[in-house]
Amino acid sequence: DQQVKQNSPSLSVQEGRISILNCDYTNSMFDYFLWYKKYPAEGPTFLISISSIKDKNEDGRFTVFLNKSAKHLSLHIVPSQPGDSAVYFCAARRGYGGSQGNLIFGKGTKLSVKP
Amino acid sequence: GAGVSQSPSNKVTEKGKDVELRCDPISGHTALYWYRQRLGQGLEFLIYFQGNSAPDKSGLPSDRFSAERTGESVSTLTIQRTQQEDSAVYLCASRGGAVYEQYFGPGTRLTVT
Repeated sequence: DQQVKQNSPSLSVQEGRISILNCDYTNSMFDYFLWYKKYPAEGPTFLISISSIKDKNEDGRFTVFLNKSAKHLSLHIVPSQPGDSAVYFCAARRGYGGSQGNLIFGKGTKLSVKP
Repeated sequence: GAGVSQSPSNKVTEKGKDVELRCDPISGHTALYWYRQRLGQGLEFLIYFQGNSAPDKSGLPSDRFSAERTGESVSTLTIQRTQQEDSAVYLCASRGGAVYEQYFGPGTRLTVT
């Protein structure tokens, strides 16, 4: 049972355009969401996060939007750059019960930004 | 250290052998996590250490898997009698204080032949 879903395994955009990566979740008890970026042969690196009490968080070219009623979040990258080409993972934090701090990850979306 | 380090970076082993993977977390980080990423899959939680509390082993796939951590330092993940389905990248992450972000190491790519 996948609690965090990234339904698009890949996405290709032109340099300078907007990249939109989507993520859906099923558990309404998740209280914090994170996006990680992963280059080949490296570990994931933290990119941006959002608390469930907010609907938007912006950091430079990266903005994360959260729609709690739809259990949906998205990562916008604008303008996209070739160096943004990587696999992007959506993760949700389980804020209840034991093991608080555990993150549930989606399967990732491979973004390719073409020059 | 500056970041989470893991060793070895690559490990090829024969089916049935035991392997030990090492993780050095960021200094001062009390929480440490092990994940596994199989080809084409997301990150699968394995085990979580928080300070001196009993670890959360709920993600370990079988009793062939075990992990130890000494205090708030190095952790080792041991896989006994490896099987081909154990082939994956094993990632370690650490977290400090009240923040939620986990910081990952580069991973160990395990190939069981």
